[in-house]
Amino acid sequence: GQNIDQPTEMTATEGAIVQINCTYQTSGFNGLFWYQQHAGEAPTFLSYNVLDGLEEKGRFSSFLSRSKGYSYLLLKELQMKDSASYLCAVKGDTGFQKLVFGTGTRLLVSP
Amino acid sequence: DAMVIQNPRYQVTQFGKPVTLSCSQTLNHNVMYWYQQKSSQAPKLLFHYYDKDFNNEADTPDNFQSRRPNTSFCFLDIRSPGLGDAAMYLCATSRAGGNQETQYFGPGTRLLVL
Repeated sequence: GQNIDQPTEMTATEGAIVQINCTYQTSGFNGLFWYQQHAGEAPTFLSYNVLDGLEEKGRFSSFLSRSKGYSYLLLKELQMKDSASYLCAVKGDTGFQKLVFGTGTRLLVSP
Repeated sequence: DAMVIQNPRYQVTQFGKPVTLSCSQTLNHNVMYWYQQKSSQAPKLLFHYYDKDFNNEADTPDNFQSRRPNTSFCFLDIRSPGLGDAAMYLCATSRAGGNQETQYFGPGTRLLVL
């Protein structure tokens, strides 16, 4: 089966650092995506990992360990506008770009 | 700007009354997807088009159908909407064969069934 696990909700303070974890069990692995989704809006692409290690992009970084079926999204210097849901999605079997999404982690950033 | 466009943003329909949601893209991507997303849930893939090839997910109800008349446009038809079909419907596109094949989403259409 296919399973993606993320914490349901997290809270953090403006200016802080937060790490959102994602564990997955999928049939095959061809990459892991993180998307940001503000309430009532469409998901927007944040990052992509296919090899083990850390990918850094400004205030956001994403890490992958394929052997552990584990990824995290690291958000630094949190801003109020970072309050959103963060979706972890895995591209499983080869041949087609089907994504399996987690239910998302709702992040609330407070002043 | 290249983008994925969905119209309308909000759609109200009556129980059992057919409704069509629209998606267009200027990205020239060859794959288009329709997802259903209910509150606090993950997006659920309904079907996708790889060029003109239609692919239905096994658990997509027969009530949902799709058309892709050309590369740029894709439609979601709900033949007889039920109350349980009220959700956000997301259209996405990607370019097959690329290294990353990121999916790009439109702003979504929120469907309300009365």
